[in-house]
Amino acid sequence: AQSVTQLGSHVSVSEGALVLLRCNYSSSVPPYLFWYVQYPNQGLQLLLKYTSAATLVKGINGFEAEFKKSETSFHLTKPSAHMSDAAEYFCAVSDQDNFNKFYFGSGTKLNVKP
Amino acid sequence: KAGVTQTPRYLIKTRGQQVTLSCSPISGHRSVSWYQQTPGQGLQFLFEYFSETQRNKGNFPGRFSGRQFSNSRSEMNVSTLELGDSALYLCASSLRLAGHNEQFFGPGTRLTVL
Repeated sequence: AQSVTQLGSHVSVSEGALVLLRCNYSSSVPPYLFWYVQYPNQGLQLLLKYTSAATLVKGINGFEAEFKKSETSFHLTKPSAHMSDAAEYFCAVSDQDNFNKFYFGSGTKLNVKP
Repeated sequence: KAGVTQTPRYLIKTRGQQVTLSCSPISGHRSVSWYQQTPGQGLQFLFEYFSETQRNKGNFPGRFSGRQFSNSRSEMNVSTLELGDSALYLCASSLRLAGHNEQFFGPGTRLTVL
């Protein structure tokens, strides 16, 4: 079974600073990878997905993620944090052969300081 | 296009009762997955239905069951409720196609068991 590790359950940045949220997956075969965001009392919203077309994936709200096979990583970044980015972020992975079974990381809560 | 809808949004039940939650997927999506989200365990996969058949199953006891109707709407049932079943229950729909397997989430049903 796949697993996903998100380093840091809480990350705090200042407004305007770089956002870096870490995600590592366990798989010998590149899977499908996703980042989702969850605002309080809401469901999850898809930020971006990796499906092997390009290693650098651009998503909504200025976020992007880079797939690094050698490091089994799919870290999420945003050059300049905005107050509205404060939320919980989840990395998820699915297998190539069972691509509808998702495994989610434990989530990282992003706090943005003014 | 309307998003994933879940009803009800909030439920309060007592131990031993049973509960049924409903999920309507995005039009054209035939796959519906259910997740349980708690602060301690994070997002845990319950099961997935596609074309009225359960295709994937997580590690939950038999008290948790589901079904899908011919219009792709899905219901989840929890019998003999326990205090630990208090959680946010999320459903997600997808096209279930390779390269197009991203899941779109509803707002969730917040279940409180007293």
